[in-house]
Amino acid sequence: SYVLTQPPSVSVAPGKTARISCGGNNIGDNGVHWYQQKPGQAPVLVISYDSDRPLGIPERFSGSNSGNTATLTINRVEAGDEADYYCQVWHTSGDHWVFGGGTKLTVL
Amino acid sequence: EVYLVDSGGGVRPPGGSMRLSCAGSGFTFSSYGMNWVRQAPGKGLEWISYISGTSHTIDYADSVKGRFTISRDNARNSLYLQMTSLKVEDTAVYYCARVSVGSRALDYWGQGILVTVAS
Repeated sequence: SYVLTQPPSVSVAPGKTARISCGGNNIGDNGVHWYQQKPGQAPVLVISYDSDRPLGIPERFSGSNSGNTATLTINRVEAGDEADYYCQVWHTSGDHWVFGGGTKLTVL
Repeated sequence: EVYLVDSGGGVRPPGGSMRLSCAGSGFTFSSYGMNWVRQAPGKGLEWISYISGTSHTIDYADSVKGRFTISRDNARNSLYLQMTSLKVEDTAVYYCARVSVGSRALDYWGQGILVTVAS
């Protein structure tokens, strides 16, 4: 089965840039989606298909995907960005909707 | 506005059964595939089942295949998950989620419903 690997945690100071990676074999060949989940809440789609922002998602959120690594970038980080972030791809074999293990973003 | 409302959770003993429901509104329900995704306490997200808009395509994760059944009633704008032979490890918050046409991203989620399997 296809595996997505994320760092368990990332810490960043307010106003700085956070980068959260998502590793997978030739992940650049797949569209990667990113979700934000705050405690006690359902996940929210923040980046679709590598770099598309759904309506209502701030421009501070962006994404890239190439080779074996996809990256979610959050510019000018705010306290309200503190959350768990999950990457996800649709894979042709095995369990089709594959999630990474999640990264806890801490705003210092 | 799109809304998904999950219902039907609770506590069951190992080996028991439970049916979850998800009511959709604010969109043409029959035009979208739907997923069930779960999250065990303190753990990450796990996809468990998919059904296409017409119910023509259905898929399950290996962890629930043969025990869980996904279905939908487009006339009632509703999605269901029938869970049987429940195990302690099925304890989780269960979310229904809409599949975005084309990208297969999960663009809207229900609020989640807690299922606890314990003796």
